[in-house]
Amino acid sequence: DTGVSQDPRHKITKRGQNVTFRCDPISEHNRLYWYRQTLGQGPEFLTYFQNEAQLEKSRLLSDRFSAERPKGSFSTLEIQRTEQGDSAMYLCASSSRGAGPYEQYFGPGTRLTVT
Amino acid sequence: RKEVEQDPGPFNVPEGATVAFNCTYSNSASQSFFWYRQDCRKEPKLLMSVYSSGNEDGRFTAQLNRASQYISLLIRDSKLSDSATYLCVGAGNNRKLIWGLGTSLAVNP
Repeated sequence: DTGVSQDPRHKITKRGQNVTFRCDPISEHNRLYWYRQTLGQGPEFLTYFQNEAQLEKSRLLSDRFSAERPKGSFSTLEIQRTEQGDSAMYLCASSSRGAGPYEQYFGPGTRLTVT
Repeated sequence: RKEVEQDPGPFNVPEGATVAFNCTYSNSASQSFFWYRQDCRKEPKLLMSVYSSGNEDGRFTAQLNRASQYISLLIRDSKLSDSATYLCVGAGNNRKLIWGLGTSLAVNP
């Protein structure tokens, strides 16, 4: 499968715990995006990487959230001291610098439940 | 005003019907446009890009009207498998995608 993959697919954690999600983009894509989506809403932009550089971070992202893409390939999103309001689907997408740079392809998401 | 707005629906149509969705956008989301499809509890999947000249892909036709700042998606001969949420998306100068809340479509037998 050469699409975007995410791990884990589901995560249940207790409030106050830290969680980390991984995203592997399509191999030739240099741009990687993280979104959060709750029921009935469109995806909400969190942050964006071009290669290993984090170029933009949403103001909605509190300092409990951090993302890395150390070698410009896979990325991790960490949430520290989780809160119930963090429960959502966390989506990763990637796009290419080439033709159609705006076209983003999504992974299956990681569904986080904070109890 | 939201940057990308669309009617949430739901649209309930019989199989074989033609259905159209509209979406309006603001200047900050005006560089490129897309329609994504999202099934329940699944990730969004790119359905089609929207070009100024309009474009067609099988039963799906997308149109862009820059003067009125709206885009549309027309689905002809709708199938049961078309039941999903259709997300209208604009991209701004910084390439960031700006998402509508989605329009829910249910195609009934």
